[in-house]
Amino acid sequence: NAGVTQTPKFQVLKTGQSMTLQCAQDMNHNSMYWYRQDPGMGLRLIYYSASEGTTDKGEVPNGYNVSRLNKREFSLRLESAAPSQTSVYFCASMELGYTFGSGTRLTVV
Amino acid sequence: LAKTTQPISMDSYEGQEVNITCSHNNIATNDYITWYQQFPSQGPRFIIQGYKTKVTNEVASLFIPADRKSSTLSLPRVSLSDTAVYYCLVGFYTGGFKTIFGAGTRLFVKA
Repeated sequence: NAGVTQTPKFQVLKTGQSMTLQCAQDMNHNSMYWYRQDPGMGLRLIYYSASEGTTDKGEVPNGYNVSRLNKREFSLRLESAAPSQTSVYFCASMELGYTFGSGTRLTVV
Repeated sequence: LAKTTQPISMDSYEGQEVNITCSHNNIATNDYITWYQQFPSQGPRFIIQGYKTKVTNEVASLFIPADRKSSTLSLPRVSLSDTAVYYCLVGFYTGGFKTIFGAGTRLFVKA
């Protein structure tokens, strides 16, 4: 099925641990995005990549890094997780509108 | 970036038409208006997009007045499964698209 695939779906980290969230799309879209959504809130943009080889900061980039590995894949890395990063993370790609993945629910304890 | 304002929540009954209005006073000339639907534990899903006047698809209609400072998403004959959060976004895709998701409108459809 065409779309955006995110892994893992769930993750629990201890404070200070690191991890990488993976995202891949098979729609040949140029731009890809990482958002976080806290309970009862809208989505906030962390980083985006307008095209392969480029990345740019969004509203809330602190504590995160990204890599646009190729046109299909865009990963998000937490180098030293903090409880404030407990959230649901969504990856998206875009042509005329966003196509979102199903999300990664991350808890940092 | 154009900021949008929507009602926080709305209630409706099955079979009714629901209209959700979004205000975007500082919309730019090149900006499009896009609406998304989000169910719990899922990512937002594209519903409809427009630039001016009226756009209709199999799911919804989008009404945009001439001044484009607001837009109205119309959902005909809602069902319980339309209970979701609806987001209005304004922006122009130029290869990178930084948009602001507000809190959205929580629509609750009752039986």
